[in-house]
Amino acid sequence: EAAVTQSPRSKVAVTGGKVTLSCHQTNNHDYMYWYRQDTGHGLRLIHYSYVADSTEKGDIPDGYKASRPSQENFSLILELASLSQTAVYFCASSDGQNSDYTFGSGTRLLVI
Amino acid sequence: GQQVQQSPASLVLQEGENAELQCNFSSTATQLQWFYQSPGGSLVSLLSNPSGTKHTGRLTSTTVTKERRSSLHISSSQTTDSGTYLCAIVGNMGYKLTFGTGTSLLVDP
Repeated sequence: EAAVTQSPRSKVAVTGGKVTLSCHQTNNHDYMYWYRQDTGHGLRLIHYSYVADSTEKGDIPDGYKASRPSQENFSLILELASLSQTAVYFCASSDGQNSDYTFGSGTRLLVI
Repeated sequence: GQQVQQSPASLVLQEGENAELQCNFSSTATQLQWFYQSPGGSLVSLLSNPSGTKHTGRLTSTTVTKERRSSLHISSSQTTDSGTYLCAIVGNMGYKLTFGTGTSLLVDP
């Protein structure tokens, strides 16, 4: 079954540390996305990618980097984690035809 | 930028009652989707409906593109319908989804 798998499911990170969130999809989708969800803000787009080895900035990219080494894999990197980056992070993939979006189960990140 | 507003913010129903959720958006949408998020869970796509009316099971979505609004009707609500319903649009400048803040639905037995 096609799916989007995120790892880890949850993580506690220290302020100033490096955090990498991973995402793997088996949907054969070209587009992949990273969103963060905060209470009162809904989901906001951080970075996205429509082809391997290329990433694009979303609406709130500051403090985040992204990497798309292959069609299946898309990572979100926090080089210097900050308290304000505590949130739930969702990865998603889509077929680019605007009709088929699949989300991962999310990663709960707590920065202390 | 694009904005998506949902109402009501929360809704409490008795099992068997119907629910009507609203979504208004500030710019042209080439795609509109309704998602369901269980408490503490991931998002599941319910309906893709950029215009007109679509049905699936107990769900009916009506989107009036010119008026930039969409509704999601849930008939004969069940306790398992409890959760958050999110409306999201894709504008005419790309493929990213812009989300509303959701409607939290609680269905009591």
